[in-house]
Amino acid sequence: EDQVTQSPEALRLQEGESSSLNCSYTVSGLRGLFWYRQDPGKGPEFLFTLYSAGEEKEKERLKATLTKKESFLHITAPKPEDSATYLCAVQANDYKLSFGAGTTVTVRA
Amino acid sequence: DTGVSQDPRHKITKRGQNVTFRCDPISEHNRLYWYRQTLGQGPEFLTYFQNEAQLEKSRLLSDRFSAERPKGSFSTLEIQRTEQGDSAMYLCASSLDYRGQAQPQHFGDGTRLSIL
Repeated sequence: EDQVTQSPEALRLQEGESSSLNCSYTVSGLRGLFWYRQDPGKGPEFLFTLYSAGEEKEKERLKATLTKKESFLHITAPKPEDSATYLCAVQANDYKLSFGAGTTVTVRA
Repeated sequence: DTGVSQDPRHKITKRGQNVTFRCDPISEHNRLYWYRQTLGQGPEFLTYFQNEAQLEKSRLLSDRFSAERPKGSFSTLEIQRTEQGDSAMYLCASSLDYRGQAQPQHFGDGTRLSIL
């Protein structure tokens, strides 16, 4: 069965203090790894798709990287509006996403 | 581009009652998914449709749950004889099946179900 573990569970940052979130996965035949952002009371919002080891994607202050066993989401010089729960998910078959429990990021001004 | 729409946003009901949720996917998407999310956890897959065909159901989807997608457009998820353990956020997502490559699933804001 696919397994996704995210760490840390929670991360408190000062505005401008860069950090990284980890997503470790075990899956037979990775078809894609997805990062989502989720605000309280809302559905997950799609950020990135990574397909193969070595791939990187960037969007504003966020950068996602992928190896054969894990993915990192780097947050550079975060702002308070980056506060959210970040979810990692893997897709091994044709349809189902298997999610981790998420990392809740709080950025203080 | 209109996103995935879910209705209602909140539902409070008594144990034993039936509830039905609706999902309107992004119009050009041919795949529709239902997930369930409890506090502090990531979403868990329940079922998915390719056009109007329901192709897969999770073991989480007991006999009390039924989903439909008539004409391959909107979808409904019905829970019969609700139980306390059904309290959760029910999320709908849609995607476009494109050349076999894994495509991102786009989520609605969910229906939060509370069982009294």
